[in-house]
Amino acid sequence: QVQLQQWGAGLLKPSETLSLTCAVYGGSFSDYYWSWIRQPPGKGLEWIGEINHSGSTNSNPSLKSRVTISVDTSKSQFSLRLSSVTAADTAVYYCARASRLDPWGQGTLVTVSS
Amino acid sequence: QAVVTQEPSLTVSPGGTVTLTCGSSTGGVTSGHYPYWFQQKPGQAPRTLIYDTSNKHSWTPARFSGSLLGGKAALTLSGAQPEDEAEYYCLLSYIGAKVFGGGTKLTVL
Repeated sequence: QVQLQQWGAGLLKPSETLSLTCAVYGGSFSDYYWSWIRQPPGKGLEWIGEINHSGSTNSNPSLKSRVTISVDTSKSQFSLRLSSVTAADTAVYYCARASRLDPWGQGTLVTVSS
Repeated sequence: QAVVTQEPSLTVSPGGTVTLTCGSSTGGVTSGHYPYWFQQKPGQAPRTLIYDTSNKHSWTPARFSGSLLGGKAALTLSGAQPEDEAEYYCLLSYIGAKVFGGGTKLTVL
């Protein structure tokens, strides 16, 4: 059974870079795309982007200039970097397998505050 | 970027039937948008109910079904239970990107 575990800094200052990593345990890493999704407090879900094992990515056009999604197949991990964060980037960030959008990571609350 | 639209809120009586819809600003929703439906209860992570229009996960109650209806993706709940009160989101796939709808708050009352 595939499980995702994510981690990263939970408190950032404006203009800093958000960095999260998601590790995939069990199952095949190379057969799927892997996604990042976020949810600001009290608001809806936002798709951030996705990556496959070879590094091919798709990302939200509204975030594209600030988003970097990378992969480390040797560790079955993928990562999200979001540069120049503002308070509007405060959200719970989730990783998930893109296929059937399941399973999901446990979520990481990232707060941007001066 | 496309805009995906959902009803902001709907109410259904216990035991009743309700259909939530998911539309696209680019035109009719088709199976090529691979519609997803998610359920989220307060304080919990979203849970995927339906993928690729009508496919269910093992945990998806049988009373939920997905379809295409009138140019939109649809989630039908037949025989609503109090525990179905939640926020429901759809997700559509476009070339190179995916977009969530704004969510429908479903009240079972």
